[in-house]
Amino acid sequence: EIVLTQSPATLSLSPGERATLSCRASQSVSSFLAWYQQKPGQAPRLLIYDASKRATGIPARFSGSGSGTDFTLTISSLEPEDFAVYYCQQRSSWWTFGQGTKVEIK
Amino acid sequence: EVQLVESGGGLVQPGGSLRLSCVAAGFTFSSYWMHWVRQAPGKGLEWVSRVNSDGSRTTYADSVKGRFTISRDNAKNTLDLQMNSVRAEDTAVYYCATSGNSYFDLWGRGTLVTVSS
Repeated sequence: EIVLTQSPATLSLSPGERATLSCRASQSVSSFLAWYQQKPGQAPRLLIYDASKRATGIPARFSGSGSGTDFTLTISSLEPEDFAVYYCQQRSSWWTFGQGTKVEIK
Repeated sequence: EVQLVESGGGLVQPGGSLRLSCVAAGFTFSSYWMHWVRQAPGKGLEWVSRVNSDGSRTTYADSVKGRFTISRDNAKNTLDLQMNSVRAEDTAVYYCATSGNSYFDLWGRGTLVTVSS
């Protein structure tokens, strides 16, 4: 099983700041990695797939990068609605998720 | 409207059974692989099972293999998850989801399963 490790567990930032979230895979997943956003009481929402492609309707302030084992989700300038939990997920070998990074208001 | 709606959750005793359902609307259900993903209270996401578009191939996470069965009815646009021999660690919100681009791009709102005596 491919294990995804996200860091940090919690990120405390203010609106307007830049958020950088990391996801590391236990073995190469090529570019088969996605990022999801989840708000309390809601289902996850696909933000980024294939490491760097934005899903339909996702604002340009969200961007993804990386390949192999190291990936990054960047939110260029945090909006109030961006405070949530973010998960990475790989589809290289079945499907596994990281444990999540909570982006909270500082 | 494109949507997935789950039902069937509730309280079940350890060792018991429960059947979850998911109804799809607004898209060509028979063209997509379908999945169940679960989330224990306050925890992260765990992929549970998938079925291919015509229902001929299924895959399960090791944690549920031999206990859960996924199935679909393309004529009724429904996806099911039969849960047998449930355990306390199966307590979670269960989401159905599509993987149109090989990722989970459409999710339902989930149904809560609580395993407790």
